[in-house]
Amino acid sequence: EVQLLESGGGLVQPGGSLRLSCAASGFTFSSHAMSWVRQAPGKGLEWVSGISGSGGSTLYADSEKGRCTISRDNSKNTLYLQINSLRAEDTAVYFCAKLTFVSVVPSSFDDWGQGTPVTVSS
Amino acid sequence: DIQMTQSPSSLSAYVGDRVTITCRASQSITSYLNWYQQKPGKAPKLLIYAASSLQSGVPSRFSGSGSGTDFTLTISSLQPEDFATYYCQQSYSSPFIFGPGTKVNIK
Repeated sequence: EVQLLESGGGLVQPGGSLRLSCAASGFTFSSHAMSWVRQAPGKGLEWVSGISGSGGSTLYADSEKGRCTISRDNSKNTLYLQINSLRAEDTAVYFCAKLTFVSVVPSSFDDWGQGTPVTVSS
Repeated sequence: DIQMTQSPSSLSAYVGDRVTITCRASQSITSYLNWYQQKPGKAPKLLIYAASSLQSGVPSRFSGSGSGTDFTLTISSLQPEDFATYYCQQSYSSPFIFGPGTKVNIK
C-alpha cells in the first residue's frame, strides 16, 4: 500500500523559510516522479513543483521560481520542498503526490499524502 | 501557460441523478487530462487519467471523455458518497494547472 506522510509544516513569520518533507513507502520510490501541490484555505488546488524519479529534472510553477527548491533523497525514500521568503499568500495545506511515471510529464497524480499545513503570519 | 476552466462551478443533484461536469483547456492538451475528487478535509483522489481511463478501484459509474480542448466527467448515477468537489488537471505541459473545481451538492 502506498503511503505518503508529509511533515515540516507549521507557523512561520513572513520572510522566513521552511523545509517540508514527504516520507514515502509501499512503492519503488526512484521509479516515480513526485510533486508538491498546495491548497489555500477555502481555495482550489495549485501545483507547486515536480521532480523526476532520478531527481535530475525539476519543474516549478511561475509563482514559486526562485523561492522554492524541490529535491529528493532516493536512499531515504523522501521528498523535500524548501520554501524561502515566505509570505502570507503561501498559507496553505501542502500535499505531496506520487506521479504515474518516472518523468513528471505527462504523469497523473496517482496517490496523495494527507498534507501538512503551513501558516505564514506574524 | 495553459489555462483550465470548469463548468458549472457548483451544482445540486439528487441521489441517482446523472451528472456531467465540463472542463476546457485554453489550447490542445490531446488526451492529457485528469480528474480528481476531493472531500472536505481530505486529500484529492485520482478518478480518471488520460481523459477516459478509470483509475484502479474507482467505481464504474465514473467516466471521462474528450480530447483536444474539451472534456467531460460523467457520474452515471450519483451516490451519497459522491458529494464532493471535482477538479480537472492538464498533464500535457508544465505548469500543471488545475481547473477551479466543481462542487457537487445534495439537492
